[in-house]
Amino acid sequence: QVQLVQSGAEVKKPGASVKVSCKASGYTFTTYFIHWLRQAPGQRFEWMGWINADNANRKYSEKFQGRVTITRDTSASTAYMELSSLRSEDTAVYYCARGPNSGCFDIWGQGTLVTVSS
Amino acid sequence: EIVLTQSPGTLSLSPGGRATLSCRASQSVSSSYLAWYQQKPGQAPRLLVYGTSSRATGIPDRFSGSGSGTDFTLTISRLEPEDFAVYYCQQFGSSSYTFGQGTRLDIK
Repeated sequence: QVQLVQSGAEVKKPGASVKVSCKASGYTFTTYFIHWLRQAPGQRFEWMGWINADNANRKYSEKFQGRVTITRDTSASTAYMELSSLRSEDTAVYYCARGPNSGCFDIWGQGTLVTVSS
Repeated sequence: EIVLTQSPGTLSLSPGGRATLSCRASQSVSSSYLAWYQQKPGQAPRLLVYGTSSRATGIPDRFSGSGSGTDFTLTISRLEPEDFAVYYCQQFGSSSYTFGQGTRLDIK
């Protein structure tokens, strides 16, 4: 079945970086975009950016521009999201999601909890 | 950035009842790019409706979406026990994606 499986929970200190992976299966990886979003406690979902899994074109939200890097490895059908200069406000569950052309997110990973604490 | 405001914040209904959830946008949203999700505790969101009124794969027909411009609605007829969850609307516009704050649907 179509699924996205993310890497496990992380605990990081302020100022560090975190890299989360998202492995796709059940469909042709290069035919969809992969998006990254996050849900902080008590906050709305925030869209962070996307990568075109075919040609690696990327777009980032202005809020995260300069701190986020999204990459992909087509041989492994895996996308990655790296967030740098972490602060406590970055504590959240991070999700990858598949993006068809309809402006929505049709398949989601299970989420990865990133905790930023000294 | 388009801000989505959902109402009510919490809706308490009984199984078998009908739920009407509202999503209002701060400016006009293309009907092609308005979606609804269901999220249960500890789980990722599940896509229910996209393009305002198209049900996602496997979504039962008791879920229906409607609306245009700045006002959109998700209706759940004949509530089942598994429908009690948090619901989010989401839009795509101006190269960005935003979500509403959610409506919690509780069992009365």
